[in-house]
Amino acid sequence: AQRVTQPEKLLSVFKGAPVELKCNYSYSGSPELFWYVQYSRQRLQLLLRHISRESIKGFTADLNKGETSFHLKKPFAQEEDSAMYYCALNSGTYKYIFGTGTRLKVLA
Amino acid sequence: GAVVSQHPSWVICKSGTSVKIECRSLDFQATTMFWYRQFPKQSLMLMATSNEGSKATYEQGVEKDKFLINHASLTLSTLTVTSAHPEDSSFYICSALQGALGGYTFGSGTRLTVV
Repeated sequence: AQRVTQPEKLLSVFKGAPVELKCNYSYSGSPELFWYVQYSRQRLQLLLRHISRESIKGFTADLNKGETSFHLKKPFAQEEDSAMYYCALNSGTYKYIFGTGTRLKVLA
Repeated sequence: GAVVSQHPSWVICKSGTSVKIECRSLDFQATTMFWYRQFPKQSLMLMATSNEGSKATYEQGVEKDKFLINHASLTLSTLTVTSAHPEDSSFYICSALQGALGGYTFGSGTRLTVV
């Protein structure tokens, strides 16, 4: 079955600490994965996609097919990173399957 | 960048009435739009795929007669919740596909409360 799992509902870290938001997927084909972020009272917006291998706002994510993971990482968290983060899988024909989301709180 | 405008941002309606939610792509054409539903503290669940000029494709378990989708132009898709009930209260979000490489632009969402 196609599935995206984000095991942590809430992740709290101190400012300046490293951050890793976990995402595991289940997909039989070649996956296309994304991370979306939703800041307080704002719309969902694309953070990064695995296909472009880019770094946005200091965040990176590497697709690990062996572990079926696409964890989001940032070496030094900032307070403005506090938001809801969703991992998403393009399950084909442009349909997305979203994880349940992880709320990141960066403490001063 | 591409913007998707969703209107209204919130609406309260009485049980039994119908509510229309609009989703517009402001500076690009969207042949495909998607409608999601999000319950509090839960993930987004895809309800249906809206294709310009053709019938929408509904996900399993979504009542097509209850959630009417119309995608009459390349920049507008509408979702009408018919004969609304309190259990239809939710956050509805639309998104539009941008280009072949994927990555969606999301609307700001509509919070529907049925009383």
